[in-house]
Order: sequence, then structure tokens, then C-alpha cells
Amino acid sequence: TQLLEQSPQFLSIQEGENLTVYCNSSSVFSSLQWYRQEPGEGPVLLVTVVTGGEVKKLKRLTFQFGDARKDSSLHITAAQPGDTGLYLCAGNSNSGYALNFGKGTSLLVTP
Amino acid sequence: SQTIHQWPATLVQPVGSPLSLECTVEGTSNPNLYWYRQAAGRGLQLLFYSVGIGQISSEVPQNLSASRPQDRQFILSSKKLLLSDSGFYLCAWSVHNEKLFFGSGTQLSVL
Repeated sequence: TQLLEQSPQFLSIQEGENLTVYCNSSSVFSSLQWYRQEPGEGPVLLVTVVTGGEVKKLKRLTFQFGDARKDSSLHITAAQPGDTGLYLCAGNSNSGYALNFGKGTSLLVTP
Repeated sequence: SQTIHQWPATLVQPVGSPLSLECTVEGTSNPNLYWYRQAAGRGLQLLFYSVGIGQISSEVPQNLSASRPQDRQFILSSKKLLLSDSGFYLCAWSVHNEKLFFGSGTQLSVL
């Protein structure tokens, strides 16, 4: 099982601040995905990155896949209360049938 | 469009009682199906996955079992629940081991 380490575990910031969360592994992944989960609901896919060094933008969210495809980061610009949630990264090895998830970063954005 | 249904949303069961959680998918054929468990808003632990009818792979040994009696139906069961079985159970589907689409989850409390 490929281990995905996410940091920080918890993050509490004020509206308007910028933040970056990280997802790291010693394993190489064919792709990495980021999900956001709100309390009492299932995770929802935000983005999939597949190419080493790839950068994808989703409005105020910027996702980057490491050159070696072992790590990824999520940067949020000018955070809003609606960004509050649990951010999970998940990776799929070349031979795996199922995604392995990190433990997540719990983000709280206060007005 | 594809949809996934998972029920019940919440369940309170005594220790030693049986369990049956059901998940159905609509709008797709031969999906990969998954059961995950999540403890207290943290990372997802893969319990079972299935690539076809009657094909079940178990990731974690425990007193839970899964069955796939129909192409788009996935059932999680237990004969006797333990306190440690409490958690948030999520069903998900995917095609070609790519992005996961999650159900809304079942919050199980074993008392």
C-alpha cells in the first residue's frame, strides 16, 4: 500500500489569506487526485493531475504535481468561508485497482 | 447521467447485531465498486472493492463482508457488529480505476 502523507493536518485561517497544503509519498503515482469533503457528505473530486510538473488551476485553487510524480500541492488564493472542508489527496499506482487516500487536511476559513 | 445511492444515511445498532448497508449505481455499466470507512472526519480506509459481479477483494481483515449480487449493487454486511465498527461508511464507483464518485455516506454508531 502506497502511503500518502498530508500536511498540515489542521489549518485555521481568516478570509482573504492564502494557503498551501501538501501531499507527499515515497511512491510514484500514475496520477494524483484532490477531493474536498464537507461534513456528513462524500468527497467530491476537484482535480486529477497525471503529468510530472503539471499545474492545473480551478478558479482560486492551483494544483501542482511534482516532477517525480511522488508529491502534490494545493494552493488556495484569497480563501473564502466556502473553502472550508477536508481536503484529501489520493493516488493510484500503475498496478492498483483502488485509490489510496491520505488522512486529509482539515481547513477552516473564518469570516 | 450517473448517480449513486447509498442508504441508510444514519444507523444506530447495538453491539452484536447484524448490519446491511446497500449501495446502487445508475447510468453506467460494469463499474468498479468500493466500500470505504472514514473515522471522525479523517482519511478514508479502503475496505472492499469489486471489479465485477461476484468478485470481491478485501483490503483489511475484519468482521465485515461485501457482496455484489448485481452489476450495479454493492452490499456491506456484518453478522455481529463490534464497537470498533462505528464510523462513516462510503460507497463509491469508478470506471477504469480513475476518479471516484462517492455516495452520501452512512454514519454508523454501534452502542
